[in-house]
Amino acid sequence: EAQVTQNPRYLITVTGKKLTVTCSQNMNHEYMSWYRQDPGLGLRQIYYSMNVEVTDKGDVPEGYKVSRKEKRNFPLILESPSPNQTSLYFCASSFRDRGHGREEGNEQFFGPGTRLTVL
Amino acid sequence: DAKTTQPTSMDCAEGRAANLPCNHSTISGNEYVYWYRQIHSQGPQYIIHGLKNNETNEMASLIITEDRKSSTLILPHATLRDTAVYYCIVRPAMGNQFYFGTGTSLTVIP
Repeated sequence: EAQVTQNPRYLITVTGKKLTVTCSQNMNHEYMSWYRQDPGLGLRQIYYSMNVEVTDKGDVPEGYKVSRKEKRNFPLILESPSPNQTSLYFCASSFRDRGHGREEGNEQFFGPGTRLTVL
Repeated sequence: DAKTTQPTSMDCAEGRAANLPCNHSTISGNEYVYWYRQIHSQGPQYIIHGLKNNETNEMASLIITEDRKSSTLILPHATLRDTAVYYCIVRPAMGNQFYFGTGTSLTVIP
């Protein structure tokens, strides 16, 4: 089954304790992205990756790191979590748009979400 | 990048068409209009997208005005399962960043 998986789904941690949220997709997608969702603010993009070893900042990258060593995996790293990073996190993937006029097949597929609480 | 404006919330009677508007007055010529929806706190789900022509698929229809400054997502026969937050997104071809905004919370009423 084609899917994006995230782990863990729920996490409660304390300030300053490094954590990693994993994201994996089995659709051979080049593009992967992380979002956070907060009440009243909608979904905001944290980081994205166009392909292996290619990552770039989204709207709210502060306090986060990512890596893309393999095509299927795109982990989100919080080196020193703080309470303001308490949020619902989504990973997404899609084929990369090749700019051939009509976009084909580059809808984003989202994971089930990770609810993170930082105390 | 162009941003979008959507009403915060809407209601629709079950079985009727739900028409969700979106303003994107600063849209550029190479920017597409995408619609996604999110049910409860699940991951968002792609619905439809278009550039300037109207589009239809098994889920919905997308009507884009001639000047492309606004669009309407139409769910032809809304069901209770269509209750969700609907996001209108404008994205350039080969664009890497997505701006979801806060969307429209649609409630389908029995």
